Amino acid sequence: NAGVTQTPKFQVLKTGQSMTLQCAQDMNHEYMSWYRQDPGMGLRLIHYSVGAGITDQGEVPNGYNVSRSTTEDFPLRLLSAAPSQTSVYFCASSYHRTGNSPLHFGNGTRLTVT
Amino acid sequence: EDKVVQSPLSLVVHEGDTVTLNCSYEVTNFRSLLWYKQEKKAPTFLFMLTSSGIEKKSGRLSSILDKKELFSILNITATQTGDSAVYLCAVDTGTASKLTFGTGTRLQVTL
Repeated sequence: NAGVTQTPKFQVLKTGQSMTLQCAQDMNHEYMSWYRQDPGMGLRLIHYSVGAGITDQGEVPNGYNVSRSTTEDFPLRLLSAAPSQTSVYFCASSYHRTGNSPLHFGNGTRLTVT
Repeated sequence: EDKVVQSPLSLVVHEGDTVTLNCSYEVTNFRSLLWYKQEKKAPTFLFMLTSSGIEKKSGRLSSILDKKELFSILNITATQTGDSAVYLCAVDTGTASKLTFGTGTRLQVTL
């Protein structure tokens, strides 16, 4: 019973590099989302998806892309990393849109951009 | 702009004490309020509250929502060192499937 799995756990990038954070869930959840967590800021929504083939922007989408080709996977792409993207990234999923069932979070990816 | 404010920011108590964590909110459209516990990694779900005045309880933890006064409290009785964590409050505004989170209350329980 894996739940929400994120890889990698840690990553260091140089400014301008690109990378993809992976997220997979095995609970057949329709809704998936990416949050970033910064000290003193709380968790902020980057992008979300209500089902395969559908994505939309959250509160802080700039510099990030997502796609949802399958129900299980929701990767987050950093196009050209910047120091401001140093953060802890959480992927989360739920069976319905939030409000009907709570979000289940992955263990996070700690990203440092130098 | 939707806002969720938690207080206190941090708290140190002795094992066995009772603590009350506060969460107030100002949002354009309220759907539900959720409490999460975050230890070292992923936030884990504690409670979801949708109706005012109804208490949700699980063991030593309980929570109540006041929709008129726009706040919620999380109570922990007979605290244990395992309760040490950051407690997050979030409001689902039903807008763009977005949870608005507070910055959390860091609770440390000492022996």
